[in-house]
Amino acid sequence: AQSVTQPDIHITVSEGASLELRCNYSYGATPYLFWYVQSPGQGLQLLLKYFSGDTLVQGIKGFEAEFKRSQSSFNLRKPSVHWSDAAEYFCAVGVLESGGGADGLTFGKGTHLIIQP
Amino acid sequence: EAGVAQSPRYKIIEKRQSVAFWCNPISGHATLYWYQQILGQGPKLLIQFQNNGVVDDSQLPKDRFSAERLKGVDSTLKIQPAKLEDSAVYLCASSPRGLTATYYGYTFGSGTRLTVV
Repeated sequence: AQSVTQPDIHITVSEGASLELRCNYSYGATPYLFWYVQSPGQGLQLLLKYFSGDTLVQGIKGFEAEFKRSQSSFNLRKPSVHWSDAAEYFCAVGVLESGGGADGLTFGKGTHLIIQP
Repeated sequence: EAGVAQSPRYKIIEKRQSVAFWCNPISGHATLYWYQQILGQGPKLLIQFQNNGVVDDSQLPKDRFSAERLKGVDSTLKIQPAKLEDSAVYLCASSPRGLTATYYGYTFGSGTRLTVV
């Protein structure tokens, strides 16, 4: 079974500083990888995804992530954070079960991002 | 395009009572998912429907949880009887079909926050 680890429960960054959120996954085959953001009281919004090809993927709101197969990682980055980026960030891995169509995502526990003025 | 609608937004019940949550997916979306998000954790898939058939319910506690999707549109998730550990946000998500969900990611509703006292 697949799993996702987000080692950092909380991260505090000053506004304007760069950001990197870590994500490690465990899955035997090539994974489908996602980053979602969740603001308080809101559902999950997709930031970006990786399936194949270029290992550096661009997303919305200025975020990017890099897939590193050798490290089983999919870290999220942003060069300059804004106060509005304060939220909970979830990394997730998706698989497509052959024949059955089951494709539920497995999420990490999330990283809470705090932005200091 | 209207998003995934869920109701109620909040629910407080006593343990051993029953409760039901409702989800209306995006029009035309064949696949519907229910996730449970306990405070401080990432969402966990409970059940996946393809039209009105169950694709994956391996993580659904079937002794107390049930779900249905009549006519392949709206869905209801029920808990009977509720336990304290069922306190969580219940998220509904939908996608055009299974393979597309893995490729595009889902569209999530805002969730129902359940508190069991």
